[in-house]
Amino acid sequence: NAGVTQTPKFRVLKTGQSMTLLCAQDMNHEYMYWYRQDPGMGLRLIHYSVGEGTTAKGEVPDGYNVSRLKKQNFLLGLESAAPSQTSVYFCASSYPGTSGGQETQYFGPGTRLLVL
Amino acid sequence: GQNIDQPTEMTATEGAIVQINCTYQTSGFNGLFWYQQHAGEAPTFLSYNVLDGLEEKGRFSSFLSRSKGYSYLLLKELQMKDSASYLCAVWDSNYQLIWGAGTKLIIKP
Repeated sequence: NAGVTQTPKFRVLKTGQSMTLLCAQDMNHEYMYWYRQDPGMGLRLIHYSVGEGTTAKGEVPDGYNVSRLKKQNFLLGLESAAPSQTSVYFCASSYPGTSGGQETQYFGPGTRLLVL
Repeated sequence: GQNIDQPTEMTATEGAIVQINCTYQTSGFNGLFWYQQHAGEAPTFLSYNVLDGLEEKGRFSSFLSRSKGYSYLLLKELQMKDSASYLCAVWDSNYQLIWGAGTKLIIKP
């Protein structure tokens, strides 16, 4: 099992360029998440998905879009990159909890994005 | 607003014991997680508490007091490989995970 994988590992963009980050998981998890992590701050949720074909906004969704066309994949898009989007992006996945909530999240290795 | 507080950095000696505290104020509570994150790597799950009390897992233990909005992670017999950041996260009433900024633990020989 590869767990959660992310591509690319590192990317440099110029302001205004677009890109897509890919997350894949082979654990048959229903829930998937995109976070960003910045120095001195906690992980912040960008968007999440509770199943194939569904997505929802998290804490900091502006400037990002997502799609979950297949259960195992969760894509994060930046349509017009800005320097404020320089960050480390983590994808995570989990089963739904027995209480209907979210279980332990498993993280991918991260994508380091620099926007100039 | 929702808030999770942890010390920014702590230093401890190899072989010793260290306690990392976490206090939280969230809209509801459905459980508290501790994750470990080595520099440049992804967070990995350490523990989950939903009821008051101490949960022990080998060298690591986690304690929760819901009435005080307080948790701690206790690391015993510290090893150099324990040098990492330790993240506290709380499930709020909407089952959203709210994350603390993390505590960087430095282990000295």
